[in-house]
Amino acid sequence: EVQLVESGGVAVQPGGSLRLSCAASGFNFDVYTMHWVRQAPGRGLEWVSYISMDGSTIYYSDSVRGRFAISRDNSKSSLFLQMNSLRSEDTAFYYCTKDYCRGSTSCYFESWGQGTLVTVSS
Amino acid sequence: QSVLTQPPSASGTPGQKVTISCSGSSPNIGSNYVSWYQQLPGTAPKVLIYRDNQRPSGVPDRFFGSKSGTSASLVISGLRSADEADYYCAGWDDSVNGWVFGGGTRLTVL
Repeated sequence: EVQLVESGGVAVQPGGSLRLSCAASGFNFDVYTMHWVRQAPGRGLEWVSYISMDGSTIYYSDSVRGRFAISRDNSKSSLFLQMNSLRSEDTAFYYCTKDYCRGSTSCYFESWGQGTLVTVSS
Repeated sequence: QSVLTQPPSASGTPGQKVTISCSGSSPNIGSNYVSWYQQLPGTAPKVLIYRDNQRPSGVPDRFFGSKSGTSASLVISGLRSADEADYYCAGWDDSVNGWVFGGGTRLTVL
């Protein structure tokens, strides 16, 4: 059974930094594309970033490009999101998601973690 | 303002059929597959439909996806109270090299 467990969400001040982690199990982590998707409280879903199986292909949404960095450690079946220069509008639940497709292709969000809450407030 | 446009709400009575629309444009729905996600209250989203009209195993055939041009639809038949949830469409957008979501549709079963 696929399991994705996010951690690292806390309250942080504007301008601060945070690193989210996602521990994956139940599948061959090192062959699948992975994503971060976020959801502000009471709002809709917003895709944040995607990384290919070997980290060679990375995409970001316009709203986080230049401030966030996605990475992965296949030896530890872990996905990360380094978040810098945080803003109040980054307040959201952050979901780690596994893509259906392998390699550098993205097909759809097949599995989701339960999310970790990041609150950016002074 | 979401790239994909969905009605904010939809409703129906038990047993009825309801349709949720998702309108996009050429670089997203017009060029790439659409997927649909169901988010029950207080839970993470779950995929309902992928590649426009395919259902993952375990998703009942009451859920049906279709696409025409730059628009997609999710049809839920035999509506049940357990279907009360938020529904989102999504697709890859070639113009921004990223995934885009609809704003979501809250389904109420009356």
